Order: sequence, then structure tokens, then C-alpha cells
Amino acid sequence: AQSVTQPDIHITVSEGASLELRCNYSYGATPYLFWYVQSPGQGLQLLLKYFSGDTLVQGIKGFEAEFKRSQSSFNLRKPSVHWSDAAEYFCAVGVNDYKLSFGAGTTVTVRA
Amino acid sequence: GAVVSQHPSRVICKSGTSVKIECRSLDFQATTMFWYRQFPKQSLMLMATSNEGSKATYEQGVEKDKFLINHASLTLSTLTVTSAHPEDSSFYICSAWGGGPAGGAYQETQYFGPGTRLLVL
Repeated sequence: AQSVTQPDIHITVSEGASLELRCNYSYGATPYLFWYVQSPGQGLQLLLKYFSGDTLVQGIKGFEAEFKRSQSSFNLRKPSVHWSDAAEYFCAVGVNDYKLSFGAGTTVTVRA
Repeated sequence: GAVVSQHPSRVICKSGTSVKIECRSLDFQATTMFWYRQFPKQSLMLMATSNEGSKATYEQGVEKDKFLINHASLTLSTLTVTSAHPEDSSFYICSAWGGGPAGGAYQETQYFGPGTRLLVL
């Protein structure tokens, strides 16, 4: 069965600093990979997705992610975080029947 | 990104009453929608898959008679929490699936609504 691991429960980063959120997956076939962001009390917003092709994917809000098949990873990065990036981030794997398997999430706190 | 709306955004009801939550796909026709439940500080738990014109498919452990799902059109799915009890209090989120390879810009992706906060007293 597929699974998604986000090793970091909580990350604190200074405004203007770089951010990297880790995501590892376990899935037998080539996965569809997603990163979503959730602000408090809100639904999930799609940041970016990977289906195939170029392994470096650009998303909204200045985020990017890199698919590394050899490491079964899909880490999310942002070169310079803004206070508005404070939120919960979820990595997800899409499976054959359109469902998503979510990681536990990483909470990002941005300090001034 | 695609827009999915939910209504109401929050609802407070008395124990024993039923509550209906609507999920609408505004940008595309969604043959498949999903309903999730999220507890505080936790990830999303899939409750059921809603298919237009057919019965919903429920995940293991989810009571289908308690959580009634209707997907009457390609843009609307509803979740009715019947005879709600305090333990049903939660954040409910729906998503609409943008379709397979022919789905264009929305293909193979779930787009989420803003969620509904349910409090049962």
C-alpha cells in the first residue's frame, strides 16, 4: 500500500530565509505527487504537482519541488519565505483510483 | 487554480438534528468528488468518494447511514450528517476531481473546498 511520510512535524524559519519541507513516499508505480498548503481554518490550496517530465516543478507563491525517484522523495522548497507562508503543508500521492494518500503534515512557523 | 465552494462555512446544531453540507465545483464538471474529515492538528481522513449519478463509496469504518452523500449533478455533491452527536463535531472538507488525462488543466488533480466547521451541542 502507498504511504507518505513527512518527517518534520514542525519547522520554524526566519522571514527571508530559505525553507525546505521533506516528503518521502512509498508506492509501487510512478506516482502523481502533490503539495498542498492549508491556512488555519481553511481548505487546502494546491501549490504544485508532478505527473511526469521535468523533475523540478514550479508552483505558485514562489514554491518549487523536486522529484527524486532514487530517493522516493518530493521535497518542497522556497528560497525566501514570507510571513504569509506560515501554514500547514501537506504532501500527497495520487493513486490509481484518483484518491490521495496524505502525509501527516508539516507546520511552518515564520518568525520576524 | 480551480474553485470549489462549500456551504455553510460553519454550522452549530443541536444533538439529534441533521445537517447538510454542499460542495460545488465552479470551474469544471466533476464526475468524482471526495469528502474528508479533519481533526485538529491532524491530516485529512477520507470518508467517501462521491460519483455523479451513482452511490457513494465509503471508506472502512465510516457509517454510510450516518453520513449520507448525494452527487446529483456534475457540479454539486452534498453530505448530510444525520442525527448528529457531539462526536461528529469536526472540520469537513470536500474536493472535486478534475478528471483523467482529458481533463485539461484540471486533470488528475483534486481541488479542495474551504471546509465546513460543524459543532454539535
